[in-house]
Order: sequence, then C-alpha cells, then structure tokens
Amino acid sequence: SAVISQKPSRDICQRGTSLTIQCQVDSQVTMMFWYRQQPGQSLTLIATANQGSEATYESGFVIDKFPISRPNLTFSTLTVSNMSPEDSSIYLCSVVTGTEENGYTFGSGTRLTVV
Amino acid sequence: KQEVTQIPAALSVPEGENLVLNCSFTDSAIYNLQWFRQDPGKGLTSLLLIQSSQREQTSGRLNASLDKSSGRSTLYIAASQPGDSATYLCAVTARGANSKLTFGKGITLSVRP
Repeated sequence: SAVISQKPSRDICQRGTSLTIQCQVDSQVTMMFWYRQQPGQSLTLIATANQGSEATYESGFVIDKFPISRPNLTFSTLTVSNMSPEDSSIYLCSVVTGTEENGYTFGSGTRLTVV
Repeated sequence: KQEVTQIPAALSVPEGENLVLNCSFTDSAIYNLQWFRQDPGKGLTSLLLIQSSQREQTSGRLNASLDKSSGRSTLYIAASQPGDSATYLCAVTARGANSKLTFGKGITLSVRP
C-alpha cells in the first residue's frame, strides 16, 4: 500500500489566519481525499481531489474555506482559511492505491488548534 | 444514506481477555469494509479489509468477519494487551468512481494491565 507523508503534524494558530497542510504520496494515485475529525467525533469527508480538475466538495464544505490544490499525482494541499476555534480538529488525507479493492491508506494527521 | 454504528463507545477489559468489537451498517450494498486503529491525536492505521464477497479476514491476533445481508461486522481481538489500547473505527465504501468511506464513531478500547 502507499505511504503518505503529511505535514505539519500539529499546529496552534491564531483566529483569522490560514494554515496549509501538505500530503506527499510515495506513488502516483488518481484520487486523494481530505477528512476532518472534530474532537470526540468520527471522520467526515471534506473533499475529493483529482489531479488536473477542481476538487469535489461534500455538503457543508466550500472551496473558499477549504481550498485544495492537486498539482500532480503524488501531492496535494488543503488550506484552512480564516480560521476560528470551531476549525480545531484533526485533518487527514487519504488515498486509494490502484482500485478500491486495495482499501484506503491515511496520512498521520494534522492536529490543529485555533486560539 | 449509509449510516455506520459502533456500540459501545468505550470498553475497558483486563489484559489477556478475548474481545469482540461490533459494527453495523444500514445499507448492505457495500463494496468493502475496513477496520482502522487510531491512537490519540494520530492518523489511522489500517488493520483489516474485507471485500463484500468475503466472510472474514485474519491478521495475527485480529479476525474480522462480515455479514453483509444483516449489515454487521465484528473485529475479534485475541489475548488483548495494553498496547491494543486505542480507538477502533470501522468504515464502509460503496462502489463508484468517487467512493468515499463512511465511518462509525469508533470504540475506544482500554486494556488494563
């Protein structure tokens, strides 16, 4: 399965600022997924990022708040913009290597605290 | 809309005990089911993946079963150890070009020495 390097692992940010999270995969993948895990909750999909096209956002998430870049088949970034304390969460990227039959691999997560 | 339920939310057992974690889902038209482990504040580690056509998968002390018709999966942990303490999440996917994982809320397991 793929190996994902996710950075930063954690950060404490001031409200109103933005943070960009990076995920680097050791192999080429078609789709990359970005999830949010709020404190005490399970994971919720933010968006799906395909190389060469705009990301597809889930209901309740918008591009202005969570812009995503996907410049090539091994890299993606998620930006959390104009942060508020409600954005304090763990953010994770995920990929499927090959087809869904291989299951999903996750990055190590970014623990964001907004103060 | 697919919903995944894991009950109880937390479980505490003494070391050495065999235990079963349950997962149920409302829509049986799944493509596969995956069990993950999450340590506090960390990412997810895949434990076992079961395709919809399979009944079970085993890895070491872990065994996961799937009964698609009844919408249930179990994760069996044999001879539990304190190092098994973590949150265990199950997630299902449906076939499709933009398949996404639908997660349960997880079961937080504590294994007491």
